[in-house]
Amino acid sequence: SQQGEEDPQALSIQEGENATMNCSYKTSINNLQWYRQNSGRGLVHLILIRSNEREKHSGRLRVTLDTSKKSSSLLITASRAADTASYFCATNKTYYAGNNRKLIWGLGTSLAVNP
Amino acid sequence: GAVVSQHPSWVICKSGTSVKIECRSLDFQATTMFWYRQFPKQSLMLMATSNEGSKATYEQGVEKDKFLINHASLTLSTLTVTSAHPEDSSFYICSAADLPVETQYFGPGTRLLVL
Repeated sequence: SQQGEEDPQALSIQEGENATMNCSYKTSINNLQWYRQNSGRGLVHLILIRSNEREKHSGRLRVTLDTSKKSSSLLITASRAADTASYFCATNKTYYAGNNRKLIWGLGTSLAVNP
Repeated sequence: GAVVSQHPSWVICKSGTSVKIECRSLDFQATTMFWYRQFPKQSLMLMATSNEGSKATYEQGVEKDKFLINHASLTLSTLTVTSAHPEDSSFYICSAADLPVETQYFGPGTRLLVL
């Protein structure tokens, strides 16, 4: 089941520009994660932000989390053609007893960075 | 670190046959493995969660007898699609995680085509 919704669904920008993707979710979470998927491949974990954090950076990535609005944003600065991929947000909440958690996935944003 | 392999990457089979997909964590012990299905240009759909040495937990609507999951060791989980039909054609992705399950590490995916 999906609880996250990303917008925009598709984004096309020029190399060097910044790309911003948003994610909204519905229930309380332990953390929110962003993953990237190149066409026809598996997913790669980009960054994890915990529910008590508001902002996190990793290289050219900046993630914000607003738990009051149940939303997050992923900013990729100085984009490159190699950033072309689909980006998914996923929220992590304890669904089972103990440590067995599953991720609830958003629908994804397809980013095209044109050289 | 955190490398997950999947085999095979591509499989074409005839309707009615069974297909086994392997998912291995190469450099860490995966207490929990997840199996996903993904349709073109869509998000991931969780099929089941498997813990080493115990029965898999299937998501609602996923047929247990159709999609057999075995997690026999801390580094290997298998998904067997039994009596495959053309509607089972899809991209199957596994992921692995250690306790506590937060970040998931994904395999490269297996594309199944049932003729």
